[in-house]
Amino acid sequence: GEDVEQSLFLSVREGDSSVINCTYTDSSSTYLYWYKQEPGAGLQLLTYIFSNMDMKQDQRLTVLLNKKDKHLSLRIADTQTGDSAIYFCAFYNAGNMLTFGGGTRLMVKP
Amino acid sequence: DAGVTQSPTHLIKTRGQHVTLRCSPISGHKSVSWYQQVLGQGPQFIFQYYEKEERGRGNFPDRFSARQFPNYSSELNVNALLLGDSALYLCASSLGTSGSYEQFFGPGTRLTVL
Repeated sequence: GEDVEQSLFLSVREGDSSVINCTYTDSSSTYLYWYKQEPGAGLQLLTYIFSNMDMKQDQRLTVLLNKKDKHLSLRIADTQTGDSAIYFCAFYNAGNMLTFGGGTRLMVKP
Repeated sequence: DAGVTQSPTHLIKTRGQHVTLRCSPISGHKSVSWYQQVLGQGPQFIFQYYEKEERGRGNFPDRFSARQFPNYSSELNVNALLLGDSALYLCASSLGTSGSYEQFFGPGTRLTVL
């Protein structure tokens, strides 16, 4: 969506960390989300963060939120080939509609 | 337990035709939302229904309509199809309508308009 921007593509080597970034123009959302989409599959909720938090860690996933800069990031530690997918950030806008970024395609090289 | 199911999986239509897409939510979920995902873009919100009432509408023309049935399943209808309607149509179900409820997505219906 035009309110949310993500870089199109990220390539990393297996075992490295991946950082996927998302910037947004406005959000009244209580939660901000990261979704994963694999080829031919629907969207899978990976993790989320409350808007009053700066960081959330969930196993290999770390979400950082900088509300001042309106920047959200997802770090995947020890990236595996199975992590290859498209990743979307999303949040609820003022109209209570779930708004998605354009997605970042993560490619993990063995 | 079955997840969100959608039918058909794929569909090919020609310009000007009408299409109906169907969605069955997870058992116990009363909210269904529809999204359009054009190739290479993120999903765009179309509609949300809860307890058979429309609770939200995205920026789509009136050619798009939807309804929810007493069993909470839903249909998305698109009239007078345009080439630009070619997309993956995703359905999601949730227990409620607020952001505190996770939305579970189906695999989608891929619509091609020729």
